Amino acid sequence: DVKVTQSSRYLVKRTGEKVFLECVQDMDHENMFWYRQDPGLGLRLIYFSYDVKMKEKGDIPEGYSVSREKKERFSLILESASTNQTSMYLCASTPGTTYEQYFGPGTRLTVT
Amino acid sequence: DQQVKQNSPSLSVQEGRISILNCDYTNSMFDYFLWYKKYPAEGPTFLISISSIKDKNEDGRFTVFLNKSAKHLSLHIVPSQPGDSAVYFCAASPNTGNQFYFGTGTSLTVIP
Repeated sequence: DVKVTQSSRYLVKRTGEKVFLECVQDMDHENMFWYRQDPGLGLRLIYFSYDVKMKEKGDIPEGYSVSREKKERFSLILESASTNQTSMYLCASTPGTTYEQYFGPGTRLTVT
Repeated sequence: DQQVKQNSPSLSVQEGRISILNCDYTNSMFDYFLWYKKYPAEGPTFLISISSIKDKNEDGRFTVFLNKSAKHLSLHIVPSQPGDSAVYFCAASPNTGNQFYFGTGTSLTVIP
C-alpha cells in the first residue's frame, strides 16, 4: 500500500513565524503536490514537483515556497505565516504513469 | 475562476437508493476525470476515474458517466450504504497529469 505521511496532524503557529510542513511518500513516486483545502473552495493547488529539485507553481503559490531535495520528501514552507494561511494542508503523490493521487492525512494549521 | 464545479454542497439519500453526484467543468482541454472520497480528519482517497475517450466507467457499486459535449460528469452509487457518507470531490486534469483541478465537494449523507 502506498503511504503518504505528513509530519503533523495539528499545528498552531503565530503570525510572522516560519512554518515547515513535511510530506514523505514511500512508493518512489515521481510527482508530489501540496494543496490547501478551505470550506467552499475545495482543494487548491499550491505547488507541485515532478522531480527532485524541480517545482512548479500551482494556482495559489503566493506566501509559500517548497523544497524537494530527495525524491520521497516534499516540504512546504510558509516564510512568514499569516492568519489567512489558516487551513487544512494536504500533500499528495502520483507515480507519473497514472493519474490517481495518493493523499496524506492532512495538517490542520492554525495561525494566530 | 473555478474550472471544476460541484453545485450541490450536500445530498441526502436513503440507504439502498441511488446517489447521484454531479460535476461540471469549463476547460475543454481536460482529458482525465477522477472522483475522490473524503472522510473527516483523513485525506481524500481515490474512488474511480474516466478518460475522455470513454463515456462510462464502472467499478462495483460506483459508475462514472462523462458527457463531453455538456462538459458534465456524474458519479452514481447503487445501492447507497451508510458507509458511503463522506465528502466527494471530482477532479480533472489535462493530459499532462501534473495539474489537477478539484471541485468544491459534495457532502453525501446516506440515511439508514
